[in-house]
Amino acid sequence: QVQLQESGPGLVKPSETLSLTCTVSGGFISGYYWSWIRQPPGKGLEWIGYIFSSGTTNYNPSLKNRVTISVDTTKNQFSLKLRSLTAADTAVYYCARQGYCDTTSCFDYWGQGTLVTFSS
Amino acid sequence: QSALTQPASVSGSPGQSITISCTGTSSDVGSYNLVSWYQQHPGKAPELMIYEVTKRPSGVSGRFSGSKSGNTASLTISGLQAEDEADYYCCSYAGSFVFGTGTKVTVL
Repeated sequence: QVQLQESGPGLVKPSETLSLTCTVSGGFISGYYWSWIRQPPGKGLEWIGYIFSSGTTNYNPSLKNRVTISVDTTKNQFSLKLRSLTAADTAVYYCARQGYCDTTSCFDYWGQGTLVTFSS
Repeated sequence: QSALTQPASVSGSPGQSITISCTGTSSDVGSYNLVSWYQQHPGKAPELMIYEVTKRPSGVSGRFSGSKSGNTASLTISGLQAEDEADYYCCSYAGSFVFGTGTKVTVL
């Protein structure tokens, strides 16, 4: 059974860079696309971007200038960096696998999510 | 890239059927048959219920079904049960992903 676990700081400050890591267990990171998705408290889901195990990335156009996603296949991990933080970045951040469907257009495994709060 | 439009809430009695709509544009929902649906209980991660418009992952109840017409996709839950009370999100993939605004399903 594939499991995903997000890790990183729960509190961030203005203009800092948020760094989160997703550790994949029970399966290999190679050969799949992996995404970051966030959800502000009480609001809907927003896709941040994805990375393929080879390192190819695709980002949400609205966040593209502030986001970097990277992968470390030796550690079975992928990571998110989000720069120039504001209060609007307060959210639960999920990592997810694009799998199950051959078109890689759906998310079959999700992490439990980690709440990142903006604090001045 | 705007969020797909869903009704804020839908309700039904146990045993009834309900349908949740998800309206996009010809650039997303209408472009490809790459719409998926997710169920999210409070405090939990979303769970895949439908993918590629009509396909159901193994382990998901047959009471859940999906369809699409033009720029609008729909999720139907038949034989509504108390455990179906949750938030539901549609998602479209057309080079990048866009989620719907979310629908709260209440079982009366």
